[in-house]
Amino acid sequence: NAGVTQTPKFQVLKTGQSMTLQCAQDMNHEYMSWYRQDPGMGLRLIHYSVGAGITDQGEVPNGYNVSRSTTEDFPLRLLSAAPSQTSVYFCASSYSQASPWEKLFFGSGTQLSVL
Amino acid sequence: GDSVTQMEGPVTLSEEAFLTINCTYTATGYPSLFWYVQYPGEGLQLLLKATKADDKGSNKGFEATYRKETTSFHLEKGSVQVSDSAVYFCALRRSILTGGGNKLTFGTGTQLKVEL
Repeated sequence: NAGVTQTPKFQVLKTGQSMTLQCAQDMNHEYMSWYRQDPGMGLRLIHYSVGAGITDQGEVPNGYNVSRSTTEDFPLRLLSAAPSQTSVYFCASSYSQASPWEKLFFGSGTQLSVL
Repeated sequence: GDSVTQMEGPVTLSEEAFLTINCTYTATGYPSLFWYVQYPGEGLQLLLKATKADDKGSNKGFEATYRKETTSFHLEKGSVQVSDSAVYFCALRRSILTGGGNKLTFGTGTQLKVEL
């Protein structure tokens, strides 16, 4: 079972560059989300989606865009990377949009460095 | 706002030792509480949860009891194994009645190393 797949695993960008972090799940989950993990700060929610065509902001959305054109995919776009976006990014999905916190399935993460 | 505080790691134990990882929280009302585990090279996985005061969540030999009076949800295991080496995250979700949305609030994580 593939579960939640994130690509790439590692990425180095220069300030001002753009890129897209990919996230795909094969479990037909309605709910998908992006978190970032920074030292000493735990995981913080960036954006989330409760279904295709529906997205909403989390607690740290600035500098990131998302879209949800299919149930399976939820890409995270950095339009102009900044050093403050250096972090580990996790995509997570859940079968239940009513109670997504009940059991989240996480990808293995993308480590991003912005120079 | 909501917050979760975990003990700093790394915690290093010998195999078969007793494990406690402390977790305390600040939140309005009666949140649901979770422990997630991240094994090396993998994503986080739900380990256990508790949704109301005095509930005990348990899984794979791990236990945690929701203590409203001390706002705590400490993780325990009676005898750890090398395979338990991982990073453990405590998390909460505020109840719907107090504005809980589609968001988990995570602690910073505690790394556990178990040695032979």
